[in-house]
Amino acid sequence: ETGVTQTPRHLVMGMTNKKSLKCEQHLGHNAMYWYKQSAKKPLELMFVYNFKEQTENNSVPSRFSPECPNSSHLFLHLHTLQPEDSALYLCASSREGRVTEAFFGQGTRLTVV
Amino acid sequence: AQTVTQSQPEMSVQEAETVTLSCTYDTSESDYYLFWYKQPPSRQMILVIRQEAYKQQNATENRFSVNFQKAAKSFSLKISDSQLGDAAMYFCAFSSNSGAGSYQLTFGKGTKLSVIP
Repeated sequence: ETGVTQTPRHLVMGMTNKKSLKCEQHLGHNAMYWYKQSAKKPLELMFVYNFKEQTENNSVPSRFSPECPNSSHLFLHLHTLQPEDSALYLCASSREGRVTEAFFGQGTRLTVV
Repeated sequence: AQTVTQSQPEMSVQEAETVTLSCTYDTSESDYYLFWYKQPPSRQMILVIRQEAYKQQNATENRFSVNFQKAAKSFSLKISDSQLGDAAMYFCAFSSNSGAGSYQLTFGKGTKLSVIP
């Protein structure tokens, strides 16, 4: 247990559904991240929040919408996804935007049907 | 842009033996951090070891040590006395200032390590 909790662990959704992934950290960190992990590809950074402000958006399609209401919580809202969006979505946090050590959650395994 | 290359998609090691996982990176930055993360079947990414680029001394954590060759931009991980619990995907990662005021982690594709009893 690293102090970063993601829910749900597994999610199956249709292409017309709307769902949200949740991440919560109890480490007192100020920076939070969403990563996408697809088979046989490096982890892809999607979004970075630093002190609740989005500081990075790595050309992620608008069907992924992040929300960071406070430094402890991070959401990823999903709508009209495509089958190629099926992947493991990992949340991470660090003390601040300077990543000297990042702590990861266990991920949400997303399947789009 | 920074890149991280892990040239060994899969490796295996006999229990109690030593194995070395390779990683090379490319950057023009002088201030950066390097990491090895382990991802077991539970999927949780766990930090194994960290190296600051300004430190010449190689980092060690119990059975895990690195060989950091800054000029060659090489950062290999050595696991000594391998245990069954070491079986996992191992990711090499790099962190430096992205230019937007934050540091980003860039990962390699990973090496799947199997430990043979």
